[in-house]
Amino acid sequence: SAVISQKPSRDICQRGTSLTIQCQVDSQVTMMFWYRQQPGQSLTLIATANQGSEATYESGFVIDKFPISRPNLTFSTLTVSNLSPEDSSIYLCSVPKGRNRRETQYFGPGTRLLVL
Amino acid sequence: GDSVTQMEGPVTLSEEAFLTINCTYTATGYPSLFWYVQYPGEGLQLLLKATKADDKGSNKGFEATYRKETTSFHLEKGSVQVSDSAVYFCALSGNTPLVFGKGTRLSVIA
Repeated sequence: SAVISQKPSRDICQRGTSLTIQCQVDSQVTMMFWYRQQPGQSLTLIATANQGSEATYESGFVIDKFPISRPNLTFSTLTVSNLSPEDSSIYLCSVPKGRNRRETQYFGPGTRLLVL
Repeated sequence: GDSVTQMEGPVTLSEEAFLTINCTYTATGYPSLFWYVQYPGEGLQLLLKATKADDKGSNKGFEATYRKETTSFHLEKGSVQVSDSAVYFCALSGNTPLVFGKGTRLSVIA
């Protein structure tokens, strides 16, 4: 199984600022996924980050608000821009077990964001 | 599009009680089905999965059977423990990487 770490584990931010979340995997992976888990809610896929190409965003999520970088096969960042209290959530990255995006996914521990 | 519906929580059980958490899905084609668990303060962990009809996934005493005829993947455990207290998510992987249900919070009391 993949070992995934995220930084920071939690943060409190002021509205209007931005937060960049890092995701590090202990092995090379083609795809990485970013999810949002709003308080008391399920997980929603934000985007798929592929190395060497632009991220693919799901409906309702845009690059200006959630810019993603994928500089190599073990690392990705998600920035949440122009923060508002509605962005208070847990943000998780994940990677598939194999090359198929339908495979089992391994999740990082999550980043808990509170926006004041 | 693909979707997952699971029973609303919270569910509170006494230790050694029988657990069922219902999950039904809507999907085109033949999705893979998963149960993930989120323990307090931790990230998601895969609990079990099934990739085709009539497959049974099992782990840590939990079981779920992929029922295509009823489009269901109900989670069961014969005797729950306090350490099973967590949020359980049913999920499917079809046209998108993972679509999750809303989660069911389980509390087991001694």
